[in-house]
Amino acid sequence: DIQLTQSPSTLSASVGDRVTITCRASQSITTWLAWYQQKPGKAPQLVMYKASNLESGVPSRFSGSGSGTEFTLTISNLQPEDYATYYCQQYDGSPSTFGQGTKLEIK
Amino acid sequence: QVRLQESGAGLVKPSETLSLTCLVSGVSIRGYYWSWIRQTPGKGLEWLGHIYYNGKTDYNPSLKSRVTLSADTSKNQFSLRLNSVTAADTAVYFCAQGGYDSTFNYWGQGALVAVSS
Repeated sequence: DIQLTQSPSTLSASVGDRVTITCRASQSITTWLAWYQQKPGKAPQLVMYKASNLESGVPSRFSGSGSGTEFTLTISNLQPEDYATYYCQQYDGSPSTFGQGTKLEIK
Repeated sequence: QVRLQESGAGLVKPSETLSLTCLVSGVSIRGYYWSWIRQTPGKGLEWLGHIYYNGKTDYNPSLKSRVTLSADTSKNQFSLRLNSVTAADTAVYFCAQGGYDSTFNYWGQGALVAVSS
């Protein structure tokens, strides 16, 4: 299985800050990487697909980059509604796997 | 608007079979892959398997011997059966649109299933 390692596990930031979350894959997945946002008691919601493509309806302050084994999700000008846990997912092959999550907390 | 709704028993005894159904509305299950994903505090999000409307399936090897997915196009729903459950199978189970080689664009709200005697 392809392992995904996210860092950091927890991130504290203030409204208006710019934050970056990293996801590293155990082998190359080209750009078959997605990012999800999950709020407590809710299902994950797709934020980014194919590493750098913004899902419809997601604010442009979210951006993604990377290829191969290293990827980042950046949120600029953090808003109160952005505080959540973020997961990366690789869909290069079976089984699809997820990172362990990064919890974005209010500082 | 695409909606997915899980239903099934919320409490299952050890060694028995966990059964969940996902009712899909707003889109036909034909032409898409449909997955089950579970979430635990310890292992995080885990893809269990997917099914195509014609019955073609693929399973996570970690559970392959215990999991069975099925689809009912007449009811526009698909189902999960996980046998020989243990406490480690206690989780929130999500159904979602998509397969192992795609993103999961739509999710159910999740169903908490506890394994306990």
